[in-house]
Amino acid sequence: DQQVKQNSPSLSVQEGRISILNCDYTNSMFDYFLWYKKYPAESPTFLISISSIKDKNEDGRFTVFLNKSAKHLSLHIVPSQPGDSAVYFCAASLGNYGQNFVFGPGTRLSVLP
Amino acid sequence: GAGVSQSPSNKVTEKGKDVELRCDPISGHTALYWYRQRLGQGLEFLIYFQGNSAPDKSGLPSDRFSAERTGESVSTLTIQRTQQEDSAVYLCASSLTSGRAPAGQYFGPGTRLTVT
Repeated sequence: DQQVKQNSPSLSVQEGRISILNCDYTNSMFDYFLWYKKYPAESPTFLISISSIKDKNEDGRFTVFLNKSAKHLSLHIVPSQPGDSAVYFCAASLGNYGQNFVFGPGTRLSVLP
Repeated sequence: GAGVSQSPSNKVTEKGKDVELRCDPISGHTALYWYRQRLGQGLEFLIYFQGNSAPDKSGLPSDRFSAERTGESVSTLTIQRTQQEDSAVYLCASSLTSGRAPAGQYFGPGTRLTVT
């Protein structure tokens, strides 16, 4: 039973356009959400996070939106660049100190020049 | 070094042997995590350390898996009597824990374990 779902295994976007990566979760007790980016043959790197008390967090070209009632979050990348091509993992944490991060299966983003 | 390091980077072992994987977290990071990523799958949480105690071992798949951490530094993940299904990349991550909101985790390069 997947607690964190990323239903699109892959996504292709034209350079300069918006990339929207989606993530759904089932456990309403999750209180912190994170996005990681992973290039082939490299480890994941932290990208952006959001606390459950907020509905939006922005960092440069990256914005994460959280809809708690729908148990849905999304990552927007504007404008998309070829260097953004990677696998993006959504993660959720449960507990006061964020232990037991639960990761989604990832979405492979391809930004076409 | 400045980042999380793991050793060995690659390990090939015969089924039934024990293996030990090492993680050196970023200095000052009190939280340390072990994950496993099997081919074509997402990250699977194994165990979490806060300092040298492990409040969450819920992800360890069987009693063949164990982990230790010395103080707030090195951690070792031990897999006894390895099985072919243990083949995966084992990732270690560390993070600062600041109150209730966890900071992002910084991942090491991983150890690719192949059990033949």
